[in-house]
Amino acid sequence: AQSVTQLGSHVSVSEGALVLLRCNYSSSVPPYLFWYVQYPNQGLQLLLKYTSAATLVKGINGFEAEFKKSETSFHLTKPSAHMSDAAEYFCAVSEKAGKSTFGDGTTLTVKP
Amino acid sequence: EAGVVQSPRYKIIEKKQPVAFWCNPISGHNTLYWYLQNLGQGPELLIRYENEEAVDDSQLPKDRFSAERLKGVDSTLKIQPAELGDSAVYLCASSLGGQGNHEQYFGPGTRLTVT
Repeated sequence: AQSVTQLGSHVSVSEGALVLLRCNYSSSVPPYLFWYVQYPNQGLQLLLKYTSAATLVKGINGFEAEFKKSETSFHLTKPSAHMSDAAEYFCAVSEKAGKSTFGDGTTLTVKP
Repeated sequence: EAGVVQSPRYKIIEKKQPVAFWCNPISGHNTLYWYLQNLGQGPELLIRYENEEAVDDSQLPKDRFSAERLKGVDSTLKIQPAELGDSAVYLCASSLGGQGNHEQYFGPGTRLTVT
């Protein structure tokens, strides 16, 4: 069975600081992994995805994530936070097409 | 290209009343999902369609919830009768389906308030 744990329901950083959002997963097969972002009153938008091609994945808006099989992690990073990055971020795991499990999300606050 | 369309965006009803939500997926996407999202939580799958067939409805409370996707395109999710605990955001998503096509595209959701 697949599952996702996002460590830290709230993360606060200063503008220009490093963003690190943590995600650990459990999967019985090589997984597909995703990060989605959700702005207030909107649906989820795909940030990036890991599909076994490369362990370091680059996404939109300057975000990237690294797949570490030994740690069963897929942490999301951005070198320099911008005010517009404030949102809720969801990590998701998929073992087969059509079946995704989402974490409970991390709310990112960016302070000026 | 148009994204996933949902209506209405907001709905307020009294308990025991019926309510319906509509979703039109991205053109060409065979897989359609309905999710429930409570405040501070991630989406939880209610039902998944492959074309017009419901292939995963194990989490759908079938005593009060129903869904249909008659022509394999748009879909309707219904609750009858609604309960206070049904207040949440109902998200629709779609994907191409098939091997390797795992990413989902979400609509803006319908925020339901049951009073």
